Amino acid sequence: GAVVSQHPSWVICKSGTSVKIECRSLDFQATTMFWYRQFPKQSLMLMATSNEGSKATYEQGVEKDKFLINHASLTLSTLTVTSAHPEDSSFYICSAPQTGTYEQYFGPGTRLTVT
Amino acid sequence: RKEVEQDPGPFNVPEGATVAFNCTYSNSASQSFFWYRQDCRKEPKLLMSVYSSGNEDGRFTAQLNRASQYISLLIRDSKLSDSATYLCVVKDAGNMLTFGGGTRLMVKP
Repeated sequence: GAVVSQHPSWVICKSGTSVKIECRSLDFQATTMFWYRQFPKQSLMLMATSNEGSKATYEQGVEKDKFLINHASLTLSTLTVTSAHPEDSSFYICSAPQTGTYEQYFGPGTRLTVT
Repeated sequence: RKEVEQDPGPFNVPEGATVAFNCTYSNSASQSFFWYRQDCRKEPKLLMSVYSSGNEDGRFTAQLNRASQYISLLIRDSKLSDSATYLCVVKDAGNMLTFGGGTRLMVKP
């Protein structure tokens, strides 16, 4: 099946710093990618939809100025957590639907810990 | 009310047992339905799609009742390796996925 990668897989940063997470579709093009966040013992919550060549669409309650999304190419979307705080510590997962199929392919996730 | 609701469990069952999970969804316009499996600290992986006619994949059987907005997953002859969280997932007319809270399954020897 199609492969989606994320980098880094795990990051620890200090409060106030910014962290960039990359999501790449390795063997297919994705005009749309989705960013999710998962807190411990909770389900995945959609944060935003990343659209290639245009602005991302954010879910209600997600601050667009804090979670910057850039979908600069058909195979890469980035999520930057700006001025990170400990409450931003979470598991961030991206997904990409492959055109012509119903399936979404998930990246392996990035575990962010803000100290 | 959550859009996709599941019993969080955990369901603790012995090896070889049959276990059933249920899920309800609120959006009657939902188009597609899936069960995903998520292991601890890993990404979700597609287990199977769910069709109105019911579908089976080995020990796994999924059923959809559109009238009741209800989805089920049946696992027969449980294995230790089936221990995971099972996520009920609903897709709208676009590509937006809505996840249920997940049902945790623990299969014991």
